[in-house]
Amino acid sequence: QQQVKQSPQSLIVQKGGISIINCAYENTAFDYFPWYQQFPGKGPALLIAIRPDVSEKKEGRFTISFNKSAKQFSLHIMDSQPGDSATYFCAAAGYNQGGKLIFGQGTELSVKP
Amino acid sequence: KAGVTQTPRYLIKTRGQQVTLSCSPISGHRSVSWYQQTPGQGLQFLFEYFSETQRNKGNFPGRFSGRQFSNSRSEMNVSTLELGDSALYLCASGLAGVYGELFFGEGSRLTVL
Repeated sequence: QQQVKQSPQSLIVQKGGISIINCAYENTAFDYFPWYQQFPGKGPALLIAIRPDVSEKKEGRFTISFNKSAKQFSLHIMDSQPGDSATYFCAAAGYNQGGKLIFGQGTELSVKP
Repeated sequence: KAGVTQTPRYLIKTRGQQVTLSCSPISGHRSVSWYQQTPGQGLQFLFEYFSETQRNKGNFPGRFSGRQFSNSRSEMNVSTLELGDSALYLCASGLAGVYGELFFGEGSRLTVL
């Protein structure tokens, strides 16, 4: 019940295309859903996050779509650029869990020029 | 503002030895969390410290321990190292009262031979 399932494991997108990464969770106690971006040799960096009271959040080219009833959320990267090539992790956190995040397995995104 | 600093960045140990990793959080952050990252298991939560007290703990054996000092700096220790402990150990800090929004360091890469 603590798992967060992420797909696909890897993704290749042409420059200018849309990258879509999906996640699903089981624990309804989760109420904060962040996405982290990790470049090789670096730690993960918070990209964008959403709470279940909204269905969509957009920041620049990055959008989170959230479906509370299906317990699913996704990251959309519009106009994907080679600089977006990185590993993306979805995660979930609960109100009383402090710094404890449950991460998905990650998606390695490659944007081809 | 300086980010999360982890030392050492790389280290090699042999089975049976112990290791201590250090983390300096972002100034003003009182929460420090530790994660283990491996290709097979992904990002897994080890434990979190807040105001020198362990607030949350993941599912790792007792060989993994940590502590936090009054200046919020944290250390984690792994005793009786096993080959499977080879991993990137990431430290993340966060603000008090803000859960899920973590700022990661670049990690300490531990290789156990």
